[in-house]
Amino acid sequence: AQSVTQPDIHITVSEGASLELRCNYSYGATPYLFWYVQSPGQGLQLLLKYFSGDTLVQGIKGFEAEFKRSQSSFNLRKPSVHWSDAAEYFCAVLNSLEYGNKLVFGAGTILRVKS
Amino acid sequence: DAGVIQSPRHEVTEMGQEVTLRCKPISGHNSLFWYRQTMMRGLELLIYFNNNVPIDDSGMPEDRFSAKMPNASFSTLKIQPSEPRDSAVYFCASRLAAERQETQYFGPGTRLLVL
Repeated sequence: AQSVTQPDIHITVSEGASLELRCNYSYGATPYLFWYVQSPGQGLQLLLKYFSGDTLVQGIKGFEAEFKRSQSSFNLRKPSVHWSDAAEYFCAVLNSLEYGNKLVFGAGTILRVKS
Repeated sequence: DAGVIQSPRHEVTEMGQEVTLRCKPISGHNSLFWYRQTMMRGLELLIYFNNNVPIDDSGMPEDRFSAKMPNASFSTLKIQPSEPRDSAVYFCASRLAAERQETQYFGPGTRLLVL
């Protein structure tokens, strides 16, 4: 079964600094990969997704992610973090072999931004 | 577009009571998902519907949980009887089509506390 690992539970960065959130997946075939963000008390908002093609994916709010098959990773990056980016970030994988629609989420990474 | 609408936003109830959570998907979307988020288990899919038909309910924890989708614009998740361990945030999400790569749009969630 597919799984997603986000090794960092919490990350703190200074405003203006660069950010990288790690995500590793376990899946035999080419995965569909997603990054969602959840602000406190809110639902999940899609930042970006990867299905095929260019392995560097651009998303909203200045985020990007790079799919690396050799490392089974899909890390999220942002060159300069803003205080409003403080939230919880979830990486997810979608099964692409069956008709099923199960988004499997990682445990999430809480991002704190210090001024 | 109003997005996915969930009600109530917060629910506090006593153990043994029936709880009904409601969801209105985005108009035109024909796939609907119910998720539960807890600290211990993270985000997990409970059940999803395509064209109002339940496709996979393997994530429903036990018989106390039931979900219905009587029409394309409304779904309910019912817990009867409720227990303290059901306390969680319940999210509803909808998707435009059955294609897996389509984005799931999440509602704001219902925060349930069972005393």
